[in-house]
Amino acid sequence: EAGVAQSPRYKIIEKRQSVAFWCNPISGHATLYWYQQILGQGPKLLIQFQNNGVVDDSQLPKDRFSAERLKGVDSTLKIQPAKLEDSAVYLCASSFNRGSYNEQFFGPGTRLTVL
Amino acid sequence: AQRVTQPEKLLSVFKGAPVELKCNYSYSGSPELFWYVQYSRQRLQLLLRHISRESIKGFTADLNKGETSFHLKKPFAQEEDSAMYYCALDNYGQNFVFGPGTRLSVLP
Repeated sequence: EAGVAQSPRYKIIEKRQSVAFWCNPISGHATLYWYQQILGQGPKLLIQFQNNGVVDDSQLPKDRFSAERLKGVDSTLKIQPAKLEDSAVYLCASSFNRGSYNEQFFGPGTRLTVL
Repeated sequence: AQRVTQPEKLLSVFKGAPVELKCNYSYSGSPELFWYVQYSRQRLQLLLRHISRESIKGFTADLNKGETSFHLKKPFAQEEDSAMYYCALDNYGQNFVFGPGTRLSVLP
């Protein structure tokens, strides 16, 4: 089966600019996750969707980050405006459903550099 | 708050030697724990999960609730085991928490 797709793979922007990332999960997967992975750290969950509803966005900096999952399939994550500390790899993952029995499948990530 | 710690950033062992990657967690409930692995130029992927009681690629991990640990072990390391390993905790299907990771280097 096709894996989780993400685009773009790389993005370089200047601070205060806006950027958007796109994720296409595995077909049929109800749960979608966005993670931020700063260099040298583990992935940090930003937001989790169940179909098109938000399950958890407690660690999403809502003053500048937003995410949506229209129609419960694709998702976009936006940063507006970007700061230097937003430089990281943004990972999208999906799973068939919520809960520990459901393996998360990860995309290749988008590497964001903010200058 | 839930937290996962991995005390070693880098662990180097020789081929054929036993390996143990340490993971400790802080959590008030009954956690579900996982090990994820990222090989060079590959995506992050699930290695094993406590709930399945499985052994994958010779690796096992035992949940010790008394010590709040979930160490990953393999009796004989192989060069292809070299990778980045992340311990992770699942809070009832939400608020998934990853540790900082340990880079395992298996030397020939």
